[in-house]
Amino acid sequence: DTEVTQTPKHLVMGMTNKKSLKCEQHMGHRAMYWYKQKAKKPPELMFVYSYEKLSINESVPSRFSPECPNSSLLNLHLHALQPEDSALYLCASSQDLTDSGANVLTFGAGSRLTVL
Amino acid sequence: DAKTTQPTSMDCAEGRAANLPCNHSTISGNEYVYWYRQIHSQGPQYIIHGLKNNETNEMASLIITEDRKSSTLILPHATLRDTAVYYCIVRIGGYQKVTFGTGTKLQVIP
Repeated sequence: DTEVTQTPKHLVMGMTNKKSLKCEQHMGHRAMYWYKQKAKKPPELMFVYSYEKLSINESVPSRFSPECPNSSLLNLHLHALQPEDSALYLCASSQDLTDSGANVLTFGAGSRLTVL
Repeated sequence: DAKTTQPTSMDCAEGRAANLPCNHSTISGNEYVYWYRQIHSQGPQYIIHGLKNNETNEMASLIITEDRKSSTLILPHATLRDTAVYYCIVRIGGYQKVTFGTGTKLQVIP
C-alpha cells in the first residue's frame, strides 16, 4: 500500500460546528504532515508529527487541533472556523525525519473544506 | 532551506520535451533538489530528487549544474496529462519543514 488516504473528500461546515479531517497511511511512515492550500497558491505547512509527537506547529490558530493517535493515523480537529479557513487540506507522510535524501513526501488527495 | 526561483508558467507542445528550470543560487552543500508536481485539485506528487549528480527515473530526468546553483527538470515526451504546477524544492534530506515556492504552471498543448 503506497497511498495516503484522506477523508472526507469534501466537507461543508458552519462556523459553530466541530468537525474532523482524517488521514491514514499504511506504509510504515513515522512522520506525518498537514498542509493548507488556498486556491492558486502553493501548499503551506501547518503541522509536522514525528513518531506520534508534534514536532512543528507553524503558528497555526488554536481552532485547528491536530492529533496523532498512532503511527498510521493523523487527525485535524476543526472548531469555530472562519470562512477564510476554506481551503484544500493536504496530509502527507514520509519515512521518518532522518537525514536521507530519499525521504520524500507522499501526499493524499486532500480534503476540500468550505466554511459557511 | 534555500530559496528557489522558477518561471511562473511555460507551454510545451505535446510529444516534445518539457524543460523546467529552477534557480537555487543559495543552496548549501547538504541540500537536495526535489521536484514535485500538482495536477489540478490533487495532492502534490513526488517526481525526482538529486544532490550532485544527474538523475533519471521513469517519470523524468534531473540535470543539476556543476556549481549546483540551478537545475532543470526534463519530461522527455510531454503528454496532456503532464499539465500541472511543478514545484522545485531544496532542503536537507529528512529536514522537517518542506516549504513550497510558487512553482511553474506547465501547460501541454495538443
